[in-house]
Amino acid sequence: AQKVTQTQTSISVVEKTTVTMDCVYETRDSSYFLFWYKQTASGEIVFLIRQDSYKKENATVGHYSLNFQKPKSSIGLIITATQIEDSAVYFCAMRERNNNNAPRFGAGTKLSVKP
Amino acid sequence: DPKIIQKPKYLVAVTGSEKILICEQYLGHNAMYWYRQSAKKPLEFMFSYSYQKLMDNQTASSRFQPQSSKKNHLDLQITALKPDDSATYFCASSQDWGEENTLYFGAGTRLSVL
Repeated sequence: AQKVTQTQTSISVVEKTTVTMDCVYETRDSSYFLFWYKQTASGEIVFLIRQDSYKKENATVGHYSLNFQKPKSSIGLIITATQIEDSAVYFCAMRERNNNNAPRFGAGTKLSVKP
Repeated sequence: DPKIIQKPKYLVAVTGSEKILICEQYLGHNAMYWYRQSAKKPLEFMFSYSYQKLMDNQTASSRFQPQSSKKNHLDLQITALKPDDSATYFCASSQDWGEENTLYFGAGTRLSVL
């Protein structure tokens, strides 16, 4: 069964710096999709970025990018030039291609960006 | 305007009672999901439907029953409520059931069981 692990409970950074959030996953499927979602203080959950396991190139969207290390089953989220409004909880999720399962989420990492 | 409507936003119930959480999506999506978020198990998957057909189920208890009267509706009926059921319940949808489809979440229903 698929499993997603985020070991960092919380991270605090100064704004305009770069932060990396870790995520490791377990799967027996040879093909899968990895996602990062953001939950703001209001509770809203929004999709940020996705990595397809068969793509070698790391995904990038705006100031979000991914560090996909397939041999290590790792998908890190990198936020460059952090802003105060990036403060939120970030969730990693995975969905397998060949198992008819819905996405499963990690426990989340709380990011605090301070002036 | 929110495209995924969850009602009510807040819900207080007594132990042993029954409640229905409502979810409607107006994104034209074909797949819908329920997730539960509590301090103990953040964003725990519960059920998913595609074209009103149950696709995946991770909820062991029969006290939780999804109900899909229309393709864009997926309600959640909870019977014999327990204090441990206290959580925020999120409804989500995706364009299709496919693996690459991203989820769009509603604002959630915060349930407190006394």
